Amino acid sequence: SQQGEEDPQALSIQEGENATMNCSYKTSINNLQWYRQNSGRGLVHLILIRSNEREKHSGRLRVTLDTSKKSSSLLITASRAADTASYFCATPRSGNTGKLIFGQGTTLQVKP
Amino acid sequence: DAMVIQNPRYQVTQFGKPVTLSCSQTLNHNVMYWYQQKSSQAPKLLFHYYDKDFNNEADTPDNFQSRRPNTSFCFLDIRSPGLGDAAMYLCATSSGQTGGNEQFFGPGTRLTVL
Repeated sequence: SQQGEEDPQALSIQEGENATMNCSYKTSINNLQWYRQNSGRGLVHLILIRSNEREKHSGRLRVTLDTSKKSSSLLITASRAADTASYFCATPRSGNTGKLIFGQGTTLQVKP
Repeated sequence: DAMVIQNPRYQVTQFGKPVTLSCSQTLNHNVMYWYQQKSSQAPKLLFHYYDKDFNNEADTPDNFQSRRPNTSFCFLDIRSPGLGDAAMYLCATSSGQTGGNEQFFGPGTRLTVL
């Protein structure tokens, strides 16, 4: 069953604004990952946050994780047109399989 | 640079005509995955290899097969493509089977079925 659910499904902002995307999941996890996918391309790993971490930064990206609410958020600050893409959260499947379950994604459009 | 390569980037086939998509990696990762992604949807795992061990997802149709002749290469065979198999096919690798490893994706192959 689908583990991650994301909202909003689509987000349109102006360049320079911040973009926030949210992800919820259902079962206990040991980490949560965020990926970006440009149109017609493969996914690119952005950041991994472990279950014992509450917040993590990478450049203009800030990820939070609330294990009590089973939710995570991805904040992109000072957005650029090049940030236009789909963003997916992913959580490991239960069991030691290495498989990931992807959320439905948030499509972000950053207007110049 | 170490990377995941998929060929071709675009593949057109006819209904029922077998097609093979290829993936190669220079990362020397022992796990390779094949995903199917339809428009505006999440990637859906079809199967994966841990070294030579093949792991099929329960809901992957028999029409889809895979081969991994060595660490670097993995192939996706669609024996009799239907119109519903038109999608982006993504290959990914990771360095281990334990939960939580980052996956590295290729650029994908866009399959069109006429």
